[in-house]
Amino acid sequence: GGIITQTPKFLIGQEGQKLTLKCQQNFNHDTMYWYRQDSGKGLRLIYYSITENDLQKGDLSEGYDASREKKSSFSLTVTSAQKNEMAVFLCASSPGIQRLFFGHGTKLSVL
Amino acid sequence: QQNVQQSPESLIVPEGARTSLNCTFSDSASQYFWWYRQHSGKAPKALMSIFSNGEKEEGRFTIHLNKASLHFSLHIRDSQPSDSALYLCAVSAHSNYQLIWGSGTKLIIKP
Repeated sequence: GGIITQTPKFLIGQEGQKLTLKCQQNFNHDTMYWYRQDSGKGLRLIYYSITENDLQKGDLSEGYDASREKKSSFSLTVTSAQKNEMAVFLCASSPGIQRLFFGHGTKLSVL
Repeated sequence: QQNVQQSPESLIVPEGARTSLNCTFSDSASQYFWWYRQHSGKAPKALMSIFSNGEKEEGRFTIHLNKASLHFSLHIRDSQPSDSALYLCAVSAHSNYQLIWGSGTKLIIKP
């Protein structure tokens, strides 16, 4: 079986700071996703990528950049952290238009 | 734009009872229907999926889909405390890599 590793697990930033979250998968899946989950709520799509060097914007892409330089990795940058922002960022991968496999998330707090 | 709604927002069910969770969607062309389960502090995991009208059973879990009514549901027979989690429904169209997610139902099974 494969695994999705997200780093860091916890991220504390300052208002206005640029913050980068990383995701690695060893499933050899083509498609990767970044979602934002606010406390106890559903998932909102930030970016997805259907292959290496491809990037597609989701509904929540404003304020974020993404990068997929290798098939196995997908990174997300918060371009300017917002004060009091608190959310979990979930990375996922999928072999196609099929089930998603998720990492455990990066919990972001902005002071 | 696909709209996915879940009900109820939260639910408390006694151990051993039957649990019913609901999801409605707005796009009648939707093709893939999923239920995911997320235990507190953990990654969401795919629970069950259905792709055509009708019913599918896996162990204690049954999924119903009625495309004409734009509705699908998850039923849990003999609910256990370990079933306590956030349940997320998701819908996708065939030609789209995106899943559209409901906002979740928080389920608590009381011993």
